[in-house]
Amino acid sequence: QVQLVESGGGVVQPGRSLRLSCAASGFTFSSYGLHWVRQGPGKGLEWVAIISNDGSNKFYGDAVKGRFTISRDNSKNTLYLQMNSLRAEDTAVYYCAKDKDSMRNPDYWGQGTLVTVSS
Amino acid sequence: DIQMTQSPSTLSASVGDRVTITCRASQSISSWLAWYQQKPGKAPNLLIYKASSLESGVPSRFSGSGSGTEFTLTISSLQPDDFATYYCQQYNSGWTFGQGTKVEIK
Repeated sequence: QVQLVESGGGVVQPGRSLRLSCAASGFTFSSYGLHWVRQGPGKGLEWVAIISNDGSNKFYGDAVKGRFTISRDNSKNTLYLQMNSLRAEDTAVYYCAKDKDSMRNPDYWGQGTLVTVSS
Repeated sequence: DIQMTQSPSTLSASVGDRVTITCRASQSISSWLAWYQQKPGKAPNLLIYKASSLESGVPSRFSGSGSGTEFTLTISSLQPDDFATYYCQQYNSGWTFGQGTKVEIK
């Protein structure tokens, strides 16, 4: 079955960087786009970024554009999110999610990794 | 950017009730809308995609309808497992979630 396991979260100071990873299994990784979605403490879901199956297309939410970079390694079945210039408002649980079809909506989600930006 | 507005924000209901949640888009999104259920501390679970298509494995008491700017998620007979928060998401132009609707026990 589809499994997505995020890692790399933790506590980081404002202005610093962090890289999240998402290890995938149970589906043909190179055939699907992938999303990052985050959820601040006590808040709703916020879409962060998407990458196409081959990595050639990437789109970002306004809140992270220019600071975050999504990437993937199809040889390792792994998705990444490089987060630079972190701010307190980036504090959230970060979920990776498999796209259902043709960069539309997520279907399967990981359990999330918590990023806390604090001095 | 397309804004998604859900109503109500909170809904109190009893087991067996018919429940309807509305999601409005700030401009037409055709049928490019999904619905998710999320329980505390858990990842979201896809219920409906393309406005009215039921995701595999999701109980048939869940249904979606609408197109353009107005959409609804209906639970025909609320079950104890359905108390959760529900989110709509548009994927016509970018990707945007609604603010969520919490369904709580009356």
